[in-house]
Amino acid sequence: QKEVEQNSGPLSVPEGAIASLNCTYSDRGSQSFFWYRQYSGKSPELIMFIYSNGDKEDGRFTAQLNKASQYVSLLIRDSQPSDSATYLCAVNPLRDGGFKTIFGAGTRLFVKA
Amino acid sequence: GAVVSQHPSWVICKSGTSVKIECRSLDFQATTMFWYRQFPKQSLMLMATSNEGSKATYEQGVEKDKFLINHASLTLSTLTVTSAHPEDSSFYICSARDRTSGKYAYNEQFFGPGTRLTVL
Repeated sequence: QKEVEQNSGPLSVPEGAIASLNCTYSDRGSQSFFWYRQYSGKSPELIMFIYSNGDKEDGRFTAQLNKASQYVSLLIRDSQPSDSATYLCAVNPLRDGGFKTIFGAGTRLFVKA
Repeated sequence: GAVVSQHPSWVICKSGTSVKIECRSLDFQATTMFWYRQFPKQSLMLMATSNEGSKATYEQGVEKDKFLINHASLTLSTLTVTSAHPEDSSFYICSARDRTSGKYAYNEQFFGPGTRLTVL
């Protein structure tokens, strides 16, 4: 089992729709959870981080964390073509004292104009 | 957020040569820097973790004698790919973490723009 699992996609949504990206992780003691966006040929950029169960909203983005289910998601409202990118879920597993960050393989999102 | 630079942004070299990549934190002190490698359509794979003034910690399967990491100051880490071969061609990305200032989210990493290495 991979430490951080994501559906590779591609996920295709029309402009203006809600894009829902999902991620599961294996280390139950993980403390910190991040969503990064990566455009082709570029390095990742942080979108959001979340530590506590529940929802965290920032503009058009909402991160949701459910530690009991070991599940974290990212919702993108009013999706724009510029949101088309690969979204990486990242987790700090407890096994390394929460020090290292493990990345999922990413979900490719296409927003159709 | 904090700014991390990498140099060079791309490099082409012949097989057997060594290549040095620099990673600098421009406006903060990076207590820890990470080196990742990313092959096309794959995720970031952590290669090693370096703390200023100490030896780097390498991930399983990463040859420390081939990928030399030096973190000589709080703003600079270097990765040297020694005797590079075509299979080392990849996108190398560094990231830095600042735990001292308290300004940033816990465990937040700031990524450099990456270095694309092509070994002929």
